[in-house]
Amino acid sequence: DGGITQSPKYLFRKEGQNVTLSCEQNLNHDAMYWYRQDPGQGLRLIYYSQIVNDFQKGDIAEGYSVSREKKESFPLTVTSAQKNPTAFYLCATNRRRDSNNSPLHFGNGTRLTVT
Amino acid sequence: AQSVTQLDSHVSVSEGTPVLLRCNYSSSYSPSLFWYVQHPNKGLQLLLKYTSAATLVKGINGFEAEFKKSETSFHLTKPSAHMSDAAEYFCVVSDRNYGQNFVFGPGTRLSVLP
Repeated sequence: DGGITQSPKYLFRKEGQNVTLSCEQNLNHDAMYWYRQDPGQGLRLIYYSQIVNDFQKGDIAEGYSVSREKKESFPLTVTSAQKNPTAFYLCATNRRRDSNNSPLHFGNGTRLTVT
Repeated sequence: AQSVTQLDSHVSVSEGTPVLLRCNYSSSYSPSLFWYVQHPNKGLQLLLKYTSAATLVKGINGFEAEFKKSETSFHLTKPSAHMSDAAEYFCVVSDRNYGQNFVFGPGTRLSVLP
């Protein structure tokens, strides 16, 4: 069954701890993205990757890090440097890199709560 | 720079009545436009997309949208609302001048009253 799997669905951490969110896809899509969603603000791009071993910062990359060692996987680490990490995190893929015509496909998200 | 305005943060309709969710965009070139729907604590699902073909685009679940370049609008409509349509809706613009940049509107929450 093709799709994008984000895990875990809910994640709780203490302030000052790093945490890694998982995103795996079996769609064979080239590009992968991480978005952050806060109420009333739409989605904001954290990082994206168009090809293995390469990634670019989005609009709000500070306090986050990523890796793209395999085409199928694009984990996001929320570091202690991120000042307000509590949010809903969405992973997305795009069939082709360098394409604005091809739509994004989304996972079901991870809700991170940091206290 | 690209931007998306969704004119209503919340729209409330009665079941069986028409739905209109408004979207205006700003883009420097010929954009691609998308509508997505999000149910609570879920990811976004593509409803429909416009990519410079027909200006009236039909999507899933009876939704459609019309691209009007002169008005820089891409409003989403449905003739008859169903209870299951209650969700958050996002208008998205993407412009090839900006590479992989998909810009999301702030969303419109649709409530459907029985």
